[in-house]
Amino acid sequence: ETGVTQTPRHLVMGMTNKKSLKCEQHLGHNAMYWYKQSAKKPLELMFVYNFKEQTENNSVPSRFSPECPNSSHLFLHLHTLQPEDSALYLCASSQDFPGEPRPSYEQYFGPGTRLTVT
Amino acid sequence: AQTVTQSQPEMSVQEAETVTLSCTYDTSENNYYLFWYKQPPSRQMILVIRQEAYKQQNATENRFSVNFQKAAKSFSLKISDSQLGDTAMYFCAFMKHSVPMKWYYGGSQGNLIFGKGTKLSVKP
Repeated sequence: ETGVTQTPRHLVMGMTNKKSLKCEQHLGHNAMYWYKQSAKKPLELMFVYNFKEQTENNSVPSRFSPECPNSSHLFLHLHTLQPEDSALYLCASSQDFPGEPRPSYEQYFGPGTRLTVT
Repeated sequence: AQTVTQSQPEMSVQEAETVTLSCTYDTSENNYYLFWYKQPPSRQMILVIRQEAYKQQNATENRFSVNFQKAAKSFSLKISDSQLGDTAMYFCAFMKHSVPMKWYYGGSQGNLIFGKGTKLSVKP
C-alpha cells in the first residue's frame, strides 16, 4: 500500500529533542489528518486539514505542532514531549466533494510512526 | 458527544467458520456514517466496509457484511469463511454527516470516532 506514506516508521527521542513526522499522500485527496493510537485507548483525532487549512484541533497540547504546506504533505513537529506521548501516530487522507449530497468520507491511512519518548 | 463501544476485546475463530464482531454507538444525530476498519499486525489501517445511516439495506463486501440496526444503534460485522489473513484488530468507527455549508469553505469535518477495537485471531 503506497497511497499514504509516513516517515520515519520508528522514532526514539528524548524529552528535550525536536523532531518532525512526515506524511505524504499520493491519492489526490484534499483533506489530511493526524491520529494518535495509544495502547488500550481508542484512536484519537488530533488535527484535521481541509484544503491546507486547519479545521479541527482536538485540544492537543502545544508541544505538537502541525504543518500542511500543500494538500499532499502533512507534518507533525514535536518538541519537549513527555513519556506519555509515546504512541503510534497515524496519518490519513480523504477526498471531500463539495456540492455533492453524499460524499464517501473514506479515510485512507498510512502505516504510522511508532514514537517512543525516553 | 458520540461514543462507540466494542464490548469484545478479543475473539477467536476457526479457519473457514463465521464470526460476528459487535459494535454499539451513541448519538443524537440522524445522518451519519459507520465504518469497520481492519488493522493487521503490519499496522496499516484498512477500510473494510462502510454503511450510510440513511440506507436501510445492510452493506456487504465479499465475505464481510454488516447488521445495521439504527433504532438499536448497533452495527455488527460478520466475517464469513474466515481466513488466516483476517487476523487483525478490528475497529468500529462513527462519523457524523456534516452540513453542506461547511463544504463551501473547503470540505467536511471528517471527525472519525473509533471504538477501542476487537482483536480477532483466526486459527488454522
